[in-house]
Amino acid sequence: GAVVSQHPSWVICKSGTSVKIECRSLDFQATTMFWYRQFPKQSLMLMATSNEGSKATYEQGVEKDKFLINHASLTLSTLTVTSAHPEDSSFYICSAQTGGNYNEQFFGPGTRLTVL
Amino acid sequence: AQTVTQSQPEMSVQEAETVTLSCTYDTSENNYYLFWYKQPPSRQMILVIRQEAYKQQNATENRFSVNFQKAAKSFSLKISDSQLGDTAMYFCAFIPGGGADGLTFGKGTHLIIQP
Repeated sequence: GAVVSQHPSWVICKSGTSVKIECRSLDFQATTMFWYRQFPKQSLMLMATSNEGSKATYEQGVEKDKFLINHASLTLSTLTVTSAHPEDSSFYICSAQTGGNYNEQFFGPGTRLTVL
Repeated sequence: AQTVTQSQPEMSVQEAETVTLSCTYDTSENNYYLFWYKQPPSRQMILVIRQEAYKQQNATENRFSVNFQKAAKSFSLKISDSQLGDTAMYFCAFIPGGGADGLTFGKGTHLIIQP
């Protein structure tokens, strides 16, 4: 149980285009999903918190107009990188929280974005 | 805001040895959770062990155990009888209790198990 999927697993796009990444909780409902970014050989940095049916909360320094997050249902959150540039190339990981007492987050397998 | 510090960028031990990864954190919260996550080359984040701050007893999961020192804000991970499959990045992470917050991660320790 508690499986989270991401699609696509990798994507290459041209500079200036937009890319959408999907995060799905397959066997549970996730009222809250999170988006992280991981540069090579670095740690995960929280980008935003996504709650179903409401606007995402972005961490300081993350451009909300560039990284559009939509959490339209209890099992799906999407991250759209708008007008992507080479510096947006990174590994994007989502996680979903089931609630309960342990605040445990279940992670997706990640999406590698390369912007040419 | 909270911070998580892992002071060992890389560690290498022989198979079957015991290794301890260190982690310290800083927070003004009284209720929180601490985690160790493993990230193998596949980059899938895998939960190794969790600790609730209100529990004094150290968490254990098979070969993995923690030494949680709340007053010192220290949360180390001990891996016993290390195996080749333990080779991975290990991240210490913090989350406040009671709400839906994202994890704050340390910079990670690259653990290499030598045959």
